[in-house]
Amino acid sequence: EAQVTQNPRYLITVTGKKLTVTCSQNMNHEYMSWYRQDPGLGLRQIYYSMNVEVTDKGDVPEGYKVSRKEKRNFPLILESPSPNQTSLYFCASSTGTGGYEQYFGPGTRLTVT
Amino acid sequence: GQQLNQSPQSMFIQEGEDVSMNCTSSSIFNTWLWYKQEPGEGPVLLIALYKAGELTSNGRLTAQFGITRKDSFLNISASIPSDVGIYFCAGPTGNQFYFGTGTSLTVIP
Repeated sequence: EAQVTQNPRYLITVTGKKLTVTCSQNMNHEYMSWYRQDPGLGLRQIYYSMNVEVTDKGDVPEGYKVSRKEKRNFPLILESPSPNQTSLYFCASSTGTGGYEQYFGPGTRLTVT
Repeated sequence: GQQLNQSPQSMFIQEGEDVSMNCTSSSIFNTWLWYKQEPGEGPVLLIALYKAGELTSNGRLTAQFGITRKDSFLNISASIPSDVGIYFCAGPTGNQFYFGTGTSLTVIP
């Protein structure tokens, strides 16, 4: 089954404790992206990757890191989480430039206390 | 970054009614996308629009690409309970994607 998986689905952590949210897709997509969703603000793009070893900042990259060492994986790293990073996070993938149908993962709800 | 504003923010309608929502931008887009997010799920693409003035349907859903390229519209006819969710417009600028603020739809049986 074609899908985007994220882990964990729920995470409660404390300020400053490094964490990684994993994202994996099995569709051989070039383009992968991370979004955060906050009430009233819609989805905002954090980082995206056009292909292996190619990553770029989205609209709200501060406080986040990503890496793309393999085509299927695109982890999101919070080196020192803060309470304003409490949000619902989505990973998505698509076939790349011109391929606008993004497939989204199920979401990761992160709470930073 | 780009700002996509959607209206209305929320709608409560009776089953069977038609629904209209829109999305406006301060900048021009060459592609407009409409997604639906059901509770507890990620967004799913409903309709993609690639040309100003284009009108595209997907079942009971119809979307239009505004001629100014700064707006788009989504209509749902004869709503049913499973239409419940948040509807987002979205558009790419280069390799970045921008999403609207969302319209939350509640259908009352």
